Amino acid sequence: DQQVKQNSPSLSVQEGRISILNCDYTNSMFDYFLWYKKYPAEGPTFLISISSIKDKNEDGRFTVFLNKSAKHLSLHIVPSQPGDSAVYFCAASNSNTPLVFGKGTRLSVIA
Amino acid sequence: DSGVTQTPKHLITATGQRVTLRCSPRSGDLSVYWYQQSLDQGLQFLIQYYNGEERAKGNILERFSAQQFPDLHSELNLSSLELGDSALYFCASSVDVNTEAFFGQGTRLTVV
Repeated sequence: DQQVKQNSPSLSVQEGRISILNCDYTNSMFDYFLWYKKYPAEGPTFLISISSIKDKNEDGRFTVFLNKSAKHLSLHIVPSQPGDSAVYFCAASNSNTPLVFGKGTRLSVIA
Repeated sequence: DSGVTQTPKHLITATGQRVTLRCSPRSGDLSVYWYQQSLDQGLQFLIQYYNGEERAKGNILERFSAQQFPDLHSELNLSSLELGDSALYFCASSVDVNTEAFFGQGTRLTVV
């Protein structure tokens, strides 16, 4: 049973436009959500997080939105840059459950 | 550089053998996690230690075991290796539970 789902295996976006990556979760007990970015042959790199008490968190070009009623979160990257091309993982946790990851979405930003 | 160090980076071994993967967490981090990433799969949680004690267990096979030492470094032991154990094994650390975890570069294990 996959508790964190990223239904889009891949996404292509033109440079300068917005990238929107989506994630759904099934466990209503999750209260902390994160996005990681991964380049080939490297470990995942933490990007941004959000607590369940908030519905939006922004850090530079990256914004994460949380919709608790829909059990859905999204990562917006504006403007997208070629260096953003990577696999993006959504993850969720609570105080009793370590990070549970989705299967990832491969983002390609085309110049 | 995340501050999490994993050794070795690559490991090639034969079926039936035993290997040990090592992880040094970021300075000050008490929690260590092990994850497995097989081809085209997401990151599967194996096990978590917090300040030397096992905190949570995921889909870890009985052939696998781990421990966290008093200096907080951790080792993942994989025994009776099978071809299907070939994967990337990541270690991550965090200050506490339910906070962001920082990942090492991973150990690529190839079982032949």
